[in-house]
Amino acid sequence: DIVMTQSPDSLAVSLGERATINCKSSQSVLYTSTNRNYLAWYQQKPGQPPKLLIYWASTRESGVPDRFSGSGSGTDFTLTISSLQAEDVAVYYCQQYYTTPPFFGQGTRVEIK
Amino acid sequence: QLPLQESGPGLVKPSETLSLTCAVSDGSMNISLYYWTWIRQPPGKGLEWIGTIYYSGNTFYNPSVKSRVTISVDTSKSQFSLQLTSVTAADMAVYYCARHRGFHSPFNSWGQGTLVTVSS
Repeated sequence: DIVMTQSPDSLAVSLGERATINCKSSQSVLYTSTNRNYLAWYQQKPGQPPKLLIYWASTRESGVPDRFSGSGSGTDFTLTISSLQAEDVAVYYCQQYYTTPPFFGQGTRVEIK
Repeated sequence: QLPLQESGPGLVKPSETLSLTCAVSDGSMNISLYYWTWIRQPPGKGLEWIGTIYYSGNTFYNPSVKSRVTISVDTSKSQFSLQLTSVTAADMAVYYCARHRGFHSPFNSWGQGTLVTVSS
């Protein structure tokens, strides 16, 4: 199994400031033949299902604001919110889809400072 | 309105069987590109993949529940279903159905979720 670990568990950021969430996989999720990282990021607001933000580690889903960006490769990944907005308050999850079962990280709660 | 919608009993007794259905309303169930998945989230906790089915009926289950779970598909009704037997309090969760384009791909469309409580 490829287990995902996020850090921190929670963070508080001032409006307009940068928020950075880290995700580490227990094994590489880079498929070398395609040079793609099988890593996604989701945003979940209270009472709502998760929403796909980023896939292939750095590709934004259609309609996702460009203040959200993903980076990293292999086992270490980062989700960055470049300028935090009030509507970004949520729990963020990373997920590997390289192997079965497709594990999610434990989540990172982002709040306004 | 979300194209995926879960339905089923919100209360199940311990040791009984949890049964949920996911209705797909946008016509995508007949598109061979898609896979159909159940994911659950215990209150206040993280997300756990339960299993996935392809329109052909091929299934893939999480080893943690494999002995108790059955996922089935009915393309004529544009729906797929989850059955989980011998439930305990640990199975209490919000259950989501989701869709993805290819087996090894992210879950790009989700239902709203339905809370299943396990209690006598």
